Amino acid sequence: QQQVKQSPQSLIVQKGGISIINCAYENTAFDYFPWYQQFPGKGPALLIAIRPDVSEKKEGRFTISFNKSAKQFSLHIMDSQPGDSATYFCAARSGSSNTGKLIFGQGTTLQVKP
Amino acid sequence: SQTIHQWPATLVQPVGSPLSLECTVEGTSNPNLYWYRQAAGRGLQLLFYSVGIGQISSEVPQNLSASRPQDRQFILSSKKLLLSDSGFYLCAWSRRDTQYFGPGTRLTVL
Repeated sequence: QQQVKQSPQSLIVQKGGISIINCAYENTAFDYFPWYQQFPGKGPALLIAIRPDVSEKKEGRFTISFNKSAKQFSLHIMDSQPGDSATYFCAARSGSSNTGKLIFGQGTTLQVKP
Repeated sequence: SQTIHQWPATLVQPVGSPLSLECTVEGTSNPNLYWYRQAAGRGLQLLFYSVGIGQISSEVPQNLSASRPQDRQFILSSKKLLLSDSGFYLCAWSRRDTQYFGPGTRLTVL
């Protein structure tokens, strides 16, 4: 019940296309859902995050769509660019815990072809 | 602004040798601190977390230990490294919602 399942494991998109990465969870106590972007040899960096009281959040070319009833959320990268090529992790945090622990998905390696 | 440091950036150690990785955070007080390990091409495995000085919680039984001697210092240690300890070690801190990761230490055990 603590897992966050992420798909696909890898994704190849043409430049200008839309990249979509999906995550699903079971624990209804989760109340914060961030996405991280990681380039090779670097630490993950927060990309965008959402709370379950909204269905969508957009920051530039990055959008999170959130479906509370289905317990799913997804990252959409519009107009994908070669510089977006990286590994993306979704995560979830339980609001009932004061530890701040995040449960991470297994990651998606995105390659954007020029 | 807050900054998180990790050192060393890379480390090559023989099997059976000790290990000490250090993480420090600047610009915040009483953060939650975390150690993660990332195997090549794999996800993030939480090893330890700490909500205060001297308070360490272990997520996975293993050959490693962690300590928090000061509010903004987190140390990952081992008495005897195994080949399976190789990986990319990441420290992170959080207050409230967001976790912020350090640059990582690449450890190779030969």
